[in-house]
Amino acid sequence: GENVEQHPSTLSVQEGDSAVIKCTYSDSASNYFPWYKQELGKRPQLIIDIRSNVGEKKDQRIAVTLNKTAKHFSLHITETQPEDSAVYFCAATFNFGNEKLTFGTGTRLTIIP
Amino acid sequence: DAGVIQSPRHEVTEMGQEVTLRCKPISGHNSLFWYRQTMMRGLELLIYFNNNVPIDDSGMPEDRFSAKMPNASFSTLKIQPSEPRDSAVYFCASRVGSYYGYTFGSGTRLTVV
Repeated sequence: GENVEQHPSTLSVQEGDSAVIKCTYSDSASNYFPWYKQELGKRPQLIIDIRSNVGEKKDQRIAVTLNKTAKHFSLHITETQPEDSAVYFCAATFNFGNEKLTFGTGTRLTIIP
Repeated sequence: DAGVIQSPRHEVTEMGQEVTLRCKPISGHNSLFWYRQTMMRGLELLIYFNNNVPIDDSGMPEDRFSAKMPNASFSTLKIQPSEPRDSAVYFCASRVGSYYGYTFGSGTRLTVV
């Protein structure tokens, strides 16, 4: 079935350190993997995505890696800042031909000043 | 670009009443999604449309929930009759095509008392 597992559920990191969030998915046909950031009381916002024809993508302090063989992908945030504190969701596509996103359960990231 | 527009932002209603949530997707986006977010269950896909046609409504909790998309610029999610357990934030999202990230609306916070 459609399943995306996300770990950890909570993560506290000292400001300036790196944070890593990991997700695994169940459908080997999945080929699009976005990450969303949701601040308290706000909408989820797309921060980075990766498609299955690449293994890594970077955008300033944020990077995503994908291992299709193992069916897992990760979000890496370097040089963390207080404004990085939020809930982060991974997602993966399912239902080839009429793709929809299934979301992980979220990681609450807290940056400690 | 005004983004995905949802109304109302907040809705408080009494148990048994009908509730209608509204969504205007981004112009040119051909897919529309309704999600429900709660602390316990995270982000759940309720239903989605491609080119105004409902594709998958397997996430709709029960017959009390219904959704329509009469044209490319408008969708509604209706709950009749509403129950306290329907209290949640309901997000609408749209995307331009497969393998692209969603853009979420600001959400409707529904409270059923």
